[in-house]
Amino acid sequence: EAQVTQNPRYLITVTGKKLTVTCSQNMNHEYMSWYRQDPGLGLRQIYYSMNVEVTDKGDVPEGYKVSRKEKRNFPLILESPSPNQTSLYFCASSSASAYNEQYFGPGTRLTVT
Amino acid sequence: KNEVEQSPQNLTAQEGEFITINCSYSVGISALHWLQQHPGGGIVSLFMLSSGKKKHGRLIATINIQEKHSSLHITASHPRDSAVYICAVFPHSGGGADGLTFGKGTHLIIQP
Repeated sequence: EAQVTQNPRYLITVTGKKLTVTCSQNMNHEYMSWYRQDPGLGLRQIYYSMNVEVTDKGDVPEGYKVSRKEKRNFPLILESPSPNQTSLYFCASSSASAYNEQYFGPGTRLTVT
Repeated sequence: KNEVEQSPQNLTAQEGEFITINCSYSVGISALHWLQQHPGGGIVSLFMLSSGKKKHGRLIATINIQEKHSSLHITASHPRDSAVYICAVFPHSGGGADGLTFGKGTHLIIQP
């Protein structure tokens, strides 16, 4: 089954404790992206990747890192999480770019206390 | 800066009604996406439009590039259509470089 998976689905952590949210797709997609969704603000892009070893900042990259060492995986790293990073996070992929149909992961609800 | 405005923000209707959700944007785009977010939080892609009109089952999406406006219509609405509908645009300057800019969503409730 074609899908984007994210782990964990729910995470409660404390300020400053490094964490990684994994994202994996099995559709051989070139383009992968991370978004955060906040009440009243909607979805906003954090980082995206056009291909392996190619990543770029989206609208709200501060406090986040990403890597794309393999085509299927695109982890989101929070080196020192803060409470303002409490949010619902989505990973998405598409065949080539944001122009193409987007396939979203199930979301990760992160709470930073 | 590209802005995407959706209207209405909230819509409650009776089962069977014809539903229209609107999306306006401020810059030239290459594509517009309509997404559906289920009450459980998952997001699925409904349509990708670059011109004209698309239909899938009871859903119809239209776009007017000159007027920078798109509409999503639901015919014979059903309670299972209750969800948040999100419009997202891919600007001309893209190639992935700018990613998607999203509207804040329209929260639709269809009552039996």
